[in-house]
Amino acid sequence: QQPVQSPQAVILREGEDAVINCSSSKALYSVHWYRQKHGEAPVFLMILLKGGEQKGHDKISASFNEKKQQSSLYLTASQLSYSGTYFCGTQDNTDKLIFGTGTRLQVFP
Amino acid sequence: DAGVIQSPRHEVTEMGQEVTLRCKPISGHDYLFWYRQTMMRGLELLIYFNNNVPIDDSGMPEDRFSAKMPNASFSTLKIQPSEPRDSAVYFCASSLAVAGYNEQFFGPGTRLTVL
Repeated sequence: QQPVQSPQAVILREGEDAVINCSSSKALYSVHWYRQKHGEAPVFLMILLKGGEQKGHDKISASFNEKKQQSSLYLTASQLSYSGTYFCGTQDNTDKLIFGTGTRLQVFP
Repeated sequence: DAGVIQSPRHEVTEMGQEVTLRCKPISGHDYLFWYRQTMMRGLELLIYFNNNVPIDDSGMPEDRFSAKMPNASFSTLKIQPSEPRDSAVYFCASSLAVAGYNEQFFGPGTRLTVL
C-alpha cells in the first residue's frame, strides 16, 4: 500500500523551513527519501533505519517514528536548489521500496 | 562509474508494436529494479531482481509486460503489444545488497509514448 505524504505541495522563500511527512499503514524496516527535479531521475537523500541509524545527506535531516510508521523530512534554511518533488520510499520485511505520493516543493528568491 | 545506463532515452511507437527498454546497472550491484512513473499513479515498482533472479513481479500490470536479466550487467523490459495507456517514464535502478538498507541509483529513464 502506497504511503501517504503531506503536504502535497509547498511554496517557500529562500531561507524558510519546511517539513514533509510520510505515513504508512504497514510496519516499516526503513524509510528512504529521494528528490526528483523536473525531467530528471530521483536522487537519493537519506535512509532511516529501524533502530535509529541514519545514512545520507548532511544538510537535510529526518526522523523516523517506528511505532507510528511515520517519517518526516526537515528542510531548513531552504535554497533554490531544494526545489523539486520529494518522495519517501518505505520498506517492510521485503527488499522493495514502495514510494509515496510525492510532495512538490518550490523555493523562490 | 558511469551510473545506471538506460536506452533508448525516448521511444515513440504505435499501438500494437513491441517495445524493448534496456538497462545496464552499476557494476557490482546485486539488485535491479524497474519502475514506471505517471502523473496519475506516481512511481510504481514493476519488478525487481536479486543476483539476476526475478524476486517480485507483482507490480507488472499485465501479461503484455515481461522482464529479463540474462546477466549481471543487462536487463530488459518488454511490452508486447503496446497500448496508449503504457505511455510513461520507465526507470531502472540498482543497489547493493541489502536493498532496503542501501540507496537506489536511478538511471535517466526512458520516456515512452504509445500513439
